[in-house]
Amino acid sequence: KQEVTQIPAALSVPEGENLVLNCSFTDSAIYNLQWFRQDPGKGLTSLLLIQSSQREQTSGRLNASLDKSSGRSTLYIAASQPGDSATYLCADMNAGKSTFGDGTTLTVKP
Amino acid sequence: SQTIHQWPATLVQPVGSPLSLECTVEGTSNPNLYWYRQAAGRGLQLLFYSVGIGQISSEVPQNLSASRPQDRQFILSSKKLLLSDSGFYLCAWTRGLTGDYGYTFGSGTRLTVV
Repeated sequence: KQEVTQIPAALSVPEGENLVLNCSFTDSAIYNLQWFRQDPGKGLTSLLLIQSSQREQTSGRLNASLDKSSGRSTLYIAASQPGDSATYLCADMNAGKSTFGDGTTLTVKP
Repeated sequence: SQTIHQWPATLVQPVGSPLSLECTVEGTSNPNLYWYRQAAGRGLQLLFYSVGIGQISSEVPQNLSASRPQDRQFILSSKKLLLSDSGFYLCAWTRGLTGDYGYTFGSGTRLTVV
């Protein structure tokens, strides 16, 4: 059974810093890897999707990579801003077998 | 464009009362539909998913049930709520069984059972 771990559970950085969020999987047979952002009390907003045949995706200041051999994914945020403060979740999305991490709560201080 | 609607946003219900949460998708046909529950500070737990009208798969035995009466409508129900049913409920959809275009989530329903 797939298990997804996100470390650290919480992260606080000053504005402008580049940062990396980590996501690891126990089963390297990852299907589609998706990163989400969740603001307090809100639903999940999709950030990036890495399909099974891909290794990386970029959108603006965000870059996500996937290394299936090591069972790891990273989300890189460049030049962080206070508006980036939220919880970030990664998930192995596979129809009825999707598995989510517990998330990393990011706080960017002005 | 495709949108997903979920309501109500918040709900406070007494123990033993019934529940009905509704989710609808616009702008697509034959979506795969999902109900998730999120405990405080935790990831999401898949409750039910549906690949078509009347087709429901349950992932976790519990006090809840789901139905799909129309192609783009997904309903989460309970006959008698328990305190343990409190949580944040999220509906989601994907295009196709493999979800290669990613998952889109609704805005969620905060359910408090008192």
